[in-house]
Amino acid sequence: DAKTTQPNSMESNEEEPVHLPCNHSTISGTDYIHWYRQLPSQGPEYVIHGLTSNVNNRMASLAIAEDRKSSTLILHRATLRDAAVYYCIRGKGTSGTYKYIFGTGTRLKVLA
Amino acid sequence: GAVVSQHPSRVICKSGTSVKIECRSLDFQATTMFWYRQFPKKSLMLMATSNEGSKATYEQGVEKDKFLINHASLTLSTLTVTSAHPEDSSFYICSARRPERIEAFFGQGTRLTVV
Repeated sequence: DAKTTQPNSMESNEEEPVHLPCNHSTISGTDYIHWYRQLPSQGPEYVIHGLTSNVNNRMASLAIAEDRKSSTLILHRATLRDAAVYYCIRGKGTSGTYKYIFGTGTRLKVLA
Repeated sequence: GAVVSQHPSRVICKSGTSVKIECRSLDFQATTMFWYRQFPKKSLMLMATSNEGSKATYEQGVEKDKFLINHASLTLSTLTVTSAHPEDSSFYICSARRPERIEAFFGQGTRLTVV
């Protein structure tokens, strides 16, 4: 199964770091790991993606396990605007057939 | 990030009619576009993948004669829901990807209500 496994929900206090875990135990060597987040009634917003090495951008960091069977999205300082559903997605296929299979996602609640 | 725009953002139609939803990549050429549907409090479900100039590839269980997808140009894909019924009411979302990049960018979604 190409879907990933994430906790249904998590809570964090504002201004604190958040670690969102994801399991993708059946991932193959060429599958990328993507993270998107979605606010109510909006399309998903790109957060970050990676293959093997840890990745950082202005929004978040992505830590990928050495065996690639799991990864963690790190929000360094959560704000109220970070409250959303976070999807860890395994990208599957080759260039013309590449597709993104969404799992159930983690609903992040940020407490003021 | 790249910009993907959907139109309309919201549509109400009568049962039995057809509805067309447009998805445009505004600042890049998208050789691949994807269509998803999402029910309330559920995750996105991939309906089909379309490559420019080719027929769309539908996921298992998605009726290709009911959900017509056209990807006639590098910046436009359309989804037509034919003979819509109330059970087709959903949030439809498109996404697009550049050929040289791995990440996809999503439209803002279209809320379809069939009455």
